[in-house]
Amino acid sequence: ETGVTQTPRHLVMGMTNKKSLKCEQHLGHNAMYWYKQSAKKPLELMFVYSLEERVENNSVPSRFSPECPNSSHLFLHLHTLQPEDSALYLCASSQDQSTKNIQYFGAGTRLSVL
Amino acid sequence: GEDVEQSLFLSVREGDSSVINCTYTDSSSTYLYWYKQEPGAGLQLLTYIFSNMDMKQDQRLTVLLNKKDKHLSLRIADTQTGDSAIYFCAESKGDTGRRALTFGSGTRLQVQP
Repeated sequence: ETGVTQTPRHLVMGMTNKKSLKCEQHLGHNAMYWYKQSAKKPLELMFVYSLEERVENNSVPSRFSPECPNSSHLFLHLHTLQPEDSALYLCASSQDQSTKNIQYFGAGTRLSVL
Repeated sequence: GEDVEQSLFLSVREGDSSVINCTYTDSSSTYLYWYKQEPGAGLQLLTYIFSNMDMKQDQRLTVLLNKKDKHLSLRIADTQTGDSAIYFCAESKGDTGRRALTFGSGTRLQVQP
């Protein structure tokens, strides 16, 4: 148990659906992250929130919309996704974005887009 | 090329030592990390090393850092079947207060009984 909980663990959705991924951290951290993990590709950083403010958006398509209502919760809202968006979506948190930046990961949401 | 490079696969026998290698490109990286991912799970931090260190040992794990060659290695002594997983090397990059991790593609370690 890393202190970072992601729900749901698995999600199957059609291209016209709207769904949301949820991440909650119980570590008292101030920074939260969304990563995409596809087969045979390095982890791709999608979004970074620090003190509830989005500080990074790595050219992610607008069909992915993050939301950070407070420092413990992070959402990823999904709409009109494509089959190539099928991947494992990982949430992480860290105390802050200081030099050490040790990140703790959730177990991920396995997303399949049909 | 990739910022962080790792070989894709390593197979060892139970009880042997495993050595997983990684090269990175950013000489300003101050911390380097090793994460482990078991099937169906997220990434678990194994260990990290500060860039002014050459070596760090933690039980069965030994991290070696060659900053001149930008080479990092993870040695697992007395490898067990439970060590079978994907191991990711990562470096911390970016401006002060805006650090982010860049990961390699991962090395799949297979431990034969």
